[in-house]
Amino acid sequence: DIQMTQSPSSLPASLGDRVTITCRASQDIGNYLRWFQQKPGKSPRLMIYGATNLAAGVPSRFSGSRSGSDYSLTISSLESEDMADYYCLQSKESPYTFGAGTKLELK
Amino acid sequence: EVQLVETGGGLVQPGNSLKLSCATSGFTFSTAWMNWIRQTPGKRLEWLAQIEDKSNNYFISYLESVKGRFTISRDDSKSSVYLQMNNLKEEDTAIYYCTWLGYWGQGVMVTVSS
Repeated sequence: DIQMTQSPSSLPASLGDRVTITCRASQDIGNYLRWFQQKPGKSPRLMIYGATNLAAGVPSRFSGSRSGSDYSLTISSLESEDMADYYCLQSKESPYTFGAGTKLELK
Repeated sequence: EVQLVETGGGLVQPGNSLKLSCATSGFTFSTAWMNWIRQTPGKRLEWLAQIEDKSNNYFISYLESVKGRFTISRDDSKSSVYLQMNNLKEEDTAIYYCTWLGYWGQGVMVTVSS
């Protein structure tokens, strides 16, 4: 199975900060990588698909990038509504696997 | 508007069965590859199963740990996907979501406890 190692598990940050969350894939997944945001009591929301493509309705301060087997989600200027849990998902091959999640919280 | 609505959750004793349903609308269900994903109380997300469309002979894949206990199925005439769960264990306690591409339902809680 493909392992997705997500870091950090917790990320304290201030409003206006630039923050980055990373997932490392244990095998080649190409660009079959999605990022989800989840707020308390809500279903996950797709933010990025194909590693770098912004999903519909997602603010442009969010971006996705890839460097080899490392995939990153970056928020250019943190806003209060961005405080949430974030997960990566590889959909290259089954079993599809998620990262363990990152809790983004106010410092 | 894409909608996915799960039903059928609840409290069951270990060893019992439960069938989840997911009714969908707002997209062409017959060509959609549908998935079930669950989120444990510890917030870990776990993909469970996928069923492809008719053109792919409704090919099915499962997470190894649920293979033989869980069965995914679909009814294209009802735009619905199902998850039959047998021999449930306490570790199956989770919120269960049906998903299509990046769209998720609201989830349904399944609690396995004696």
